[in-house]
Amino acid sequence: AQSVTQPDIHITVSEGASLELRCNYSYGATPYLFWYVQSPGQGLQLLLKYFSGDTLVQGIKGFEAEFKRSQSSFNLRKPSVHWSDAAEYFCAVQYGNKLVFGAGTILRVKS
Amino acid sequence: DGGITQSPKYLFRKEGQNVTLSCEQNLNHDAMYWYRQDPGQGLRLIYYSQIVNDFQKGDIAEGYSVSREKKESFPLTVTSAQKNPTAFYLCASSMGQGGTGELFFGEGSRLTVL
Repeated sequence: AQSVTQPDIHITVSEGASLELRCNYSYGATPYLFWYVQSPGQGLQLLLKYFSGDTLVQGIKGFEAEFKRSQSSFNLRKPSVHWSDAAEYFCAVQYGNKLVFGAGTILRVKS
Repeated sequence: DGGITQSPKYLFRKEGQNVTLSCEQNLNHDAMYWYRQDPGQGLRLIYYSQIVNDFQKGDIAEGYSVSREKKESFPLTVTSAQKNPTAFYLCASSMGQGGTGELFFGEGSRLTVL
């Protein structure tokens, strides 16, 4: 079955520390991959996307993600976290006409 | 500014009542979607529509209904048959066929059934 796994429900990092959020997916072919961010009570905003080409993609707000075909992963990274990055992050994979989302990772930033 | 407008933002209803959530977009997108969000479960697809006058069930369509009479509008009705309707509902749109699949989201509607 098509699935997207975000193994970490919550992550807490100190402001200024680096961040990596994990995402694994099941899919036979090279998928279209996305990371979205959601502030409490709001809709989702696209951070970045991967379709083809360079496996390291840059997004907004200083985020980047790396597609690793051999590991079926698309992990999100940021070198230095800011307090405003506290939010919930969703990985998503396009299967046909639909986008399938992971369960989300809640990021807490401590000062 | 182009975007997706959902209304109302908050809605309270008694058990057994049908409720309709509005979703309007001015992005000229062909495809529209309704997702339900519950804590710890991510987003689950309720219904989607690729073109006007056509729509398909998603993964959790039972107890919900939709219509797509205009390109700009995709209202969702939560019927009394939906066993656990209290949730956060998100509407989204995309270019559709030939597009990249990127979704643009509204700000959501929170439904609480008392």
